[in-house]
Amino acid sequence: DIQMTQSPFTLSAFVGDRVTITCRASQTISGWLAWYQQKPGKAPKVLIYKASSLASGVPSRFSGSGSGTEFTLTISYLQPDDFATYSCQQYYDFPYTFGQGTKLEIK
Amino acid sequence: EVQLLESGGGLVQPGGSLRISCEASGFTFSTYAMSWVRQAPGKGLEWVSLFSFSDIRTYYADSVKGRFTISRDISRNTLYLQMNSLRAEDTAVYFCVRRAEGAPAHFDYWGQGTLVTVSS
Repeated sequence: DIQMTQSPFTLSAFVGDRVTITCRASQTISGWLAWYQQKPGKAPKVLIYKASSLASGVPSRFSGSGSGTEFTLTISYLQPDDFATYSCQQYYDFPYTFGQGTKLEIK
Repeated sequence: EVQLLESGGGLVQPGGSLRISCEASGFTFSTYAMSWVRQAPGKGLEWVSLFSFSDIRTYYADSVKGRFTISRDISRNTLYLQMNSLRAEDTAVYFCVRRAEGAPAHFDYWGQGTLVTVSS
């Protein structure tokens, strides 16, 4: 199975900050990676797919990059609505696997 | 508007069985792969199973293989997950998820989830 490792586990930041979350795959997944945002008690929502494609309706302050085994999600100017948990997911091969999640907290 | 509505969750004893359902609307159900993803309390997301309509194949996580069965009823636009030999570690919110068109593809729509609790 492909293991997905996110860092950091938690992240504290101010409104207006630029933050980056990293996701590493245990083997190459080409660019078949998605990022999801989840708020407490809610379903996840896709932000980025194919490593760098912005999902419909997602603000342009979200961006993704990377290929192979290392990927990043960047939020360029944090808004109060962005404080949530972010998870990466590989869909290169079965079983699909998720990172453990990064909780973004307001400082 | 795409909608995925899960139902059937509840409390079940260890070793018991439960079937959860997902009624889909707002898209052509028969042309998309559908999946179940679960989330144990306070934990991360775990992919469980996928039904590929294009080649009528099913896929399972090792943790549920042999115990869970995914199926669909196109006439009812409904996806099912039959869960047998349930264990405490199966306790989770189960999300019904649509995989985007094409493969490989990400999950583009999620239901709100149904809670399954396995406890005596």
